[in-house]
Amino acid sequence: AQRVTQPEKLLSVFKGAPVELKCNYSYSGSPELFWYVQYSRQRLQLLLRHISRESIKGFTADLNKGETSFHLKKPFAQEEDSAMYYCALMSTGTASKLTFGTGTRLQVTL
Amino acid sequence: DTGVSQDPRHKITKRGQNVTFRCDPISEHNRLYWYRQTLGQGPEFLTYFQNEAQLEKSRLLSDRFSAERPKGSFSTLEIQRTEQGDSAMYLCASSPGSGGKNIQYFGAGTRLSVL
Repeated sequence: AQRVTQPEKLLSVFKGAPVELKCNYSYSGSPELFWYVQYSRQRLQLLLRHISRESIKGFTADLNKGETSFHLKKPFAQEEDSAMYYCALMSTGTASKLTFGTGTRLQVTL
Repeated sequence: DTGVSQDPRHKITKRGQNVTFRCDPISEHNRLYWYRQTLGQGPEFLTYFQNEAQLEKSRLLSDRFSAERPKGSFSTLEIQRTEQGDSAMYLCASSPGSGGKNIQYFGAGTRLSVL
């Protein structure tokens, strides 16, 4: 069975500090991984996906198959980064359904 | 196109009543998903449609739940004889296709409170 673990419910950092949101997964196949973000009073939206290998809003995430991790990183946190972040794994079956972690709330303070 | 639309945004009902939610996906997206999210958890998959065909259902979807997508466009999710445990946010997502095109776009959700 596939599983996504986000060990931190809350991560509080100062503005300008580096950010790392942890995500570990369990999946028998070749994983496709995503980070979704939910800003206050907004809908869930895609932040980035591992196959794109791009940086969005300064965030990057590298898939580490050896450690089964897909941690989200940003070198310098901004206030507007405060949000709920969900790591998700897409199954390779017909449905391509997403399995989400429980989420980490990032709080960036001055 | 304003994205995935869900109606109503909030629903309060009494235990034992039936409720129905509607989801309008992004036009021309042939895949439609329903997820449920309870407090402190991430969204959990409920069911999936490709066009009008319901191709997969989670075991979370008890027989009190039924979903339809009659013409391959909008979808409805009905819960019969609601229970307090059904209280949750119900999210709909759509995507244009498989593989590299399978990015799921979410609606704002319908929050159900069962009293």
